[in-house]
Amino acid sequence: KAGVTQTPRYLIKTRGQQVTLSCSPISGHRSVSWYQQTPGQGLQFLFEYFSETQRNKGNFPGRFSGRQFSNSRSEMNVSTLELGDSALYLCASSLAAGGPIDTQYFGPGTRLTVL
Amino acid sequence: AQSVAQPEDQVNVAEGNPLTVKCTYSVSGNPYLFWYVQYPNRGLQFLLKYITGDNLVKGSYGFEAEFNKSQTSFHLKKPSALVSDSALYFCAVRDRDTGGFKTIFGAGTRLFVKA
Repeated sequence: KAGVTQTPRYLIKTRGQQVTLSCSPISGHRSVSWYQQTPGQGLQFLFEYFSETQRNKGNFPGRFSGRQFSNSRSEMNVSTLELGDSALYLCASSLAAGGPIDTQYFGPGTRLTVL
Repeated sequence: AQSVAQPEDQVNVAEGNPLTVKCTYSVSGNPYLFWYVQYPNRGLQFLLKYITGDNLVKGSYGFEAEFNKSQTSFHLKKPSALVSDSALYFCAVRDRDTGGFKTIFGAGTRLFVKA
């Protein structure tokens, strides 16, 4: 079974631009979560989607948004990019509805660099 | 609020020796604890989880973790370290939030195994 895939793997943008990252979960998985990983802040939760609905959201500004499609694929969008948005963005999928015992399976991440 | 602490930024161990990566947690209800490993330029890989039951949890690649409720700890262990175990290790707890659950990660511990 194929793992979680994320595209693109690397991205370079300039301040003020916007970016869209894509995540395809493991087949059959319906829950998708997004995380931002930086050396200073570590791994921080962005949001979680299940059945096209955002179930949970972390403490990020409104410039960060996401959505999930009927095939469970998810996208996240960052508008008006700032230098501090440079990070590794990780997507994780899980089988069930985001319960406490779900195991999350992570994609390789998208490395975003903002210049 | 729920939290996870990994008190060591780095652990150094010689190949063949046992290794321990420490994790302590703070939760208000039942703890749902996870260990993940991250290799360079890769996403996180699931190692093991504790939901309930036996305090000693066995996981992938020969790793195990011991849940200790009185000490609120969930240390990761391996009887004999390999050079290939060198990576970044994250302890995590699943936390109930307003809309569902989210994963809170520790800051990570970098493990160096020397040949």
